[in-house]
Amino acid sequence: NAGVTQTPKFQVLKTGQSMTLQCAQDMNHNSMYWYRQDPGMGLRLIYYSASEGTTDKGEVPNGYNVSRLNKREFSLRLESAAPSQTSVYFCASIRGWTGDNEQFFGPGTRLTVL
Amino acid sequence: AQSVSQHNHHVILSEAASLELGCNYSYGGTVNLFWYVQYPGQHLQLLLKYFSGDPLVKGIKGFEAEFIKSKFSFNLRKPSVQWSDTAEYFCAVPNNNDMRFGAGTRLTVKP
Repeated sequence: NAGVTQTPKFQVLKTGQSMTLQCAQDMNHNSMYWYRQDPGMGLRLIYYSASEGTTDKGEVPNGYNVSRLNKREFSLRLESAAPSQTSVYFCASIRGWTGDNEQFFGPGTRLTVL
Repeated sequence: AQSVSQHNHHVILSEAASLELGCNYSYGGTVNLFWYVQYPGQHLQLLLKYFSGDPLVKGIKGFEAEFIKSKFSFNLRKPSVQWSDTAEYFCAVPNNNDMRFGAGTRLTVKP
């Protein structure tokens, strides 16, 4: 049982480049989340998916797109990276459909945009 | 929308000192509350949670938290910290379909 996995672990991009962050969970969880973590600001929700086929914006969705490919996988795409998107990105999942359950986190992706 | 605030950004303690980290949530009613911990280089993991019942909840590694409804607070405590408690601690509250996290408190325990 790997839990929540993320790839890549580290990435350096130039301004304007695009990339996709991958997340997968093997716990049969319904809901999945993408957060960014910045110093002094905690975790801020970018997008979430309450179930396969649905996605919703969180607090800071601008500059990102997501795809809930199937129940296991939830990807985050940066179409044109900007230095302000330098951050650590965490994927998480929960068993139910609402936010009042324990979240299980992946190991994170450290992204630097030059 | 629900939100949480954590008052201490960085706390430095010596081993065996007592710890209390503050957390306040924004409004009342039925509320579930969480504390997560992030050890250096690791991902977030659940420390403890409050759903209902006894307002004093115990978590892993000797941590506990007290839910005080009248104060909108859910402070984290540990009687005697260890060097291995050095980490960042996040209070969190559900907000409809997502979770809102506080800014975090970095705890440094000196040996």
